[in-house]
Amino acid sequence: NAGVMQNPRHLVRRRGQEARLRCSPMKGHSHVYWYRQLPEEGLKFMVYLQKENIIDESGMPKERFSAEFPKEGPSILRIQQVVRGDSAAYFCASSRTSLNTEAFFGQGTRLTVV
Amino acid sequence: AQTVTQSQPEMSVQEAETVTLSCTYDTSESDYYLFWYKQPPSRQMILVIRQEAYKQQNATENRFSVNFQKAAKSFSLKISDSQLGDAAMYFCAYRPGGTGTASKLTFGTGTRLQVTL
Repeated sequence: NAGVMQNPRHLVRRRGQEARLRCSPMKGHSHVYWYRQLPEEGLKFMVYLQKENIIDESGMPKERFSAEFPKEGPSILRIQQVVRGDSAAYFCASSRTSLNTEAFFGQGTRLTVV
Repeated sequence: AQTVTQSQPEMSVQEAETVTLSCTYDTSESDYYLFWYKQPPSRQMILVIRQEAYKQQNATENRFSVNFQKAAKSFSLKISDSQLGDAAMYFCAYRPGGTGTASKLTFGTGTRLQVTL
């Protein structure tokens, strides 16, 4: 049973470009959470999605950031018109139910904006 | 809003010795979960141990144990017989009970643990 798969592991974008980060949850998991980790900081919650629904986006910046989790395929975190401050590690976690007392994390995508 | 505080940015322990990492949290909830995650240089977030607030007994997983003081809102991690592979960042995290919007984790800023020979 493969774990949570995130790709790419590393992503470099120029300022103003778009970044797309993908997360495939563990098999049988229909709940996905995205977190952002700035350098030397802990993880900060961004958004929680269930298949085709956004449950909680209270941690998402209001502009340029969006997330989806379609019926088929991975969850996507999309950052439009990236700026240097978006450089961070982005982690995805998944759980089987919304009672995620043991959410499993992917290895993260490190986004560098140059 | 819930907050999680880790007041030790860095700790060091000798191999085979015991070390305790501190964590305090603030919440008005009575039902919640607490976690310790390990993040080695590979960046993978690995769940070390979990504690349910309604359980008085402290959780234990092999060499890892916690000291959960609910009234003091304290949740420290003790690592016994430290090994070189224990060197990593350790994050304390909180999650309220329930589902839906309660499902997100709140993390502390982490403690970097060094293990020396």
